[in-house]
Amino acid sequence: QKEVEQNSGPLSVPEGAIASLNCTYSDRVSQSFFWYRQYSGKSPELIMSIYSNGDKEDGRFTAQLNKASQYVSLLIRDSQPSDSATYLCAVNRWYGGSQGNLIFGKGTKLSVKP
Amino acid sequence: EAGVTQFPSHSVIEKGQTVTLRCDPISGHDNLYWYRRVMGKEIKFLLHFVKESKQDESGMPNNRFLAERTGGTYSTLKVQPAELEDSGVYFCASSQASGFYGYTFGSGTRLTVV
Repeated sequence: QKEVEQNSGPLSVPEGAIASLNCTYSDRVSQSFFWYRQYSGKSPELIMSIYSNGDKEDGRFTAQLNKASQYVSLLIRDSQPSDSATYLCAVNRWYGGSQGNLIFGKGTKLSVKP
Repeated sequence: EAGVTQFPSHSVIEKGQTVTLRCDPISGHDNLYWYRRVMGKEIKFLLHFVKESKQDESGMPNNRFLAERTGGTYSTLKVQPAELEDSGVYFCASSQASGFYGYTFGSGTRLTVV
């Protein structure tokens, strides 16, 4: 079982729709959770972080965390063609000497069609 | 504020040669990380510096890889001798606090070993 799993996609949604991206993780010790956006050939860009169960909203983005189910998701409302990118889920296991290391999923490619 | 800077952006070398990648973190960031993405795989942790000290190098694949961080400022990652499987994109990231809150990535160095 991979430590962080995402559907690779591609996920295709029409412009203006809600895009829903999902991620599961295997290690219950995980303490912080991130969504990075990566455009082709560019560096990962942090767009959302979440640390406690529930929802966290920032503009058109909402991150949802359920630690009991080991599940984190990202919702993008009013999707725009500029949102087309690969979305990487990452979790942080912060304990002992391993503080600060992120475990990444392979990413979900999102395509927003005009 | 300047971001994380990496160079070169691209490097093509022959198997058996040596390559040195450089990363300049955001000024004042004590934490510096190296990650690598091999084609088709997820981004994977290589190592973590706190100032000039290696906090965690558990992700370094073998002793052909040597990372240094002189004076706690910029860092270099040397691959000697390079093998075909070392091809990929090498990302550097930095953070002021530990990675618990996420960090900023550089644009990466694409290494191709032929």
